[in-house]
Amino acid sequence: FDLTQTPSVSVSPGQTASITCSGDDLESKYTSWYQQKPGQSPTLVIYEDIKRPSGIPERFSASNSGNTATLTIGGTQALDEADYYCQAWDRTTAHWVFGGGTKLAVL
Amino acid sequence: EVAVVESGGGLVQPGGSLRLSCQASGFAFSVYWMDWVRQAPGKGLVWVSRISSDSNRIYYAGSVKGRFTISRDHGNNTLFLQMSDLRVEDTAIYFCVREKEDAFDLWGRGTAVTISS
Repeated sequence: FDLTQTPSVSVSPGQTASITCSGDDLESKYTSWYQQKPGQSPTLVIYEDIKRPSGIPERFSASNSGNTATLTIGGTQALDEADYYCQAWDRTTAHWVFGGGTKLAVL
Repeated sequence: EVAVVESGGGLVQPGGSLRLSCQASGFAFSVYWMDWVRQAPGKGLVWVSRISSDSNRIYYAGSVKGRFTISRDHGNNTLFLQMSDLRVEDTAIYFCVREKEDAFDLWGRGTAVTISS
């Protein structure tokens, strides 16, 4: 079971950024999303497909349908520039799986 | 404050061993599943190992199975990762993470492990 992410995404400030994560029958698994800024530990921004932990801005939202989960950042700000990773649990192997990560550039 | 703090990293020769520790504080450590995740320099996140709250269920990534052992000590609120037969490709920052609601909601700052001769 693999999770595939586009290596990089660019967005202009104030626009909407969409980051996708693809995997076989992904909609049957809970997907989480993590933000990692340079030199920092990852931070959970979405869990159980669509839920935001407390403290995460409302501009972060997500969906999961078919084979693709999508993280959407509305009104993207310069401080959103980071690497984003998706994650899901593979029941077959009993392994957590991360996507390869997407570098979001706010230009 | 709710936190996990890793320690024990360092420089080790190939074939050597190292024991990582993760001190948990500010939460009921004994009820949570815990994991180790690593990140090689300039690379992405890779899950390493997972242990249930009661230590009865343990899982490993294929790349470390048979070489790494995860364990926990509830009396000292500490998670461990015993690493042996270390390889150059094990070089990474190792993060201790707490599982909650099918996600990793609490991450430490990580401890750096370098395998080199």
